[in-house]
Amino acid sequence: EPEVTQTPSHQVTQMGQEVILRCVPISNHLYFYWYRQILGQKVEFLVSFYNNEISEKSEIFDDQFSVERPDGSNFTLKIRSTKLEDSAMYFCASSDYWAGRYEQYFGPGTRLTVT
Amino acid sequence: RKEVEQDPGPFNVPEGATVAFNCTYSNSASQSFFWYRQDCRKEPKLLMSVYSSGNEDGRFTAQLNRASQYISLLIRDSKLSDSATYLCAVKGGGGADGLTFGKGTHLIIQP
Repeated sequence: EPEVTQTPSHQVTQMGQEVILRCVPISNHLYFYWYRQILGQKVEFLVSFYNNEISEKSEIFDDQFSVERPDGSNFTLKIRSTKLEDSAMYFCASSDYWAGRYEQYFGPGTRLTVT
Repeated sequence: RKEVEQDPGPFNVPEGATVAFNCTYSNSASQSFFWYRQDCRKEPKLLMSVYSSGNEDGRFTAQLNRASQYISLLIRDSKLSDSATYLCAVKGGGGADGLTFGKGTHLIIQP
């Protein structure tokens, strides 16, 4: 069964450093998403991406964040200057259209620890 | 502001019992509704979409009440492996819409 993959599984970085989180969405899916989950809190939407551009973004997705699809398979989230409060699980998801709706499938996540 | 509310639990339920969760949402424009399951420190896994007419998948039944803006999940004949956090999620009808999640309901099935 096809699945979303993410690398690395765990990233430790120092405050102020740039990080790039990588995702390979399910191959025939057209919409891609990033979510984050701070420990003990709910899963929060960051951004959606379609046809090589951002479709929607939340208020969390400020100027320090960017997304890119550098080739036909990868989808990346860049955090330019990490803060302590960026420590969270970051989940990538992709969706297809099935039975009248878009169902989103999540990758295993990258645990980002900012020290 | 879009909100999805769930009883955090935990629900402690003996194996074989039936358990039900509810979830309420505030955005009346929501078009699509889902239940996800999340194990500790893992990704949300899609359990089922929720259709207006209600739908069943094995031991799981989901219902949607648009008038009252709530979604329910019923688990029959619960198994130890059903222990997890169950997340309710809603979104608009478009492919680009992000999911708005509740904080989840923690279910513990006891032998």
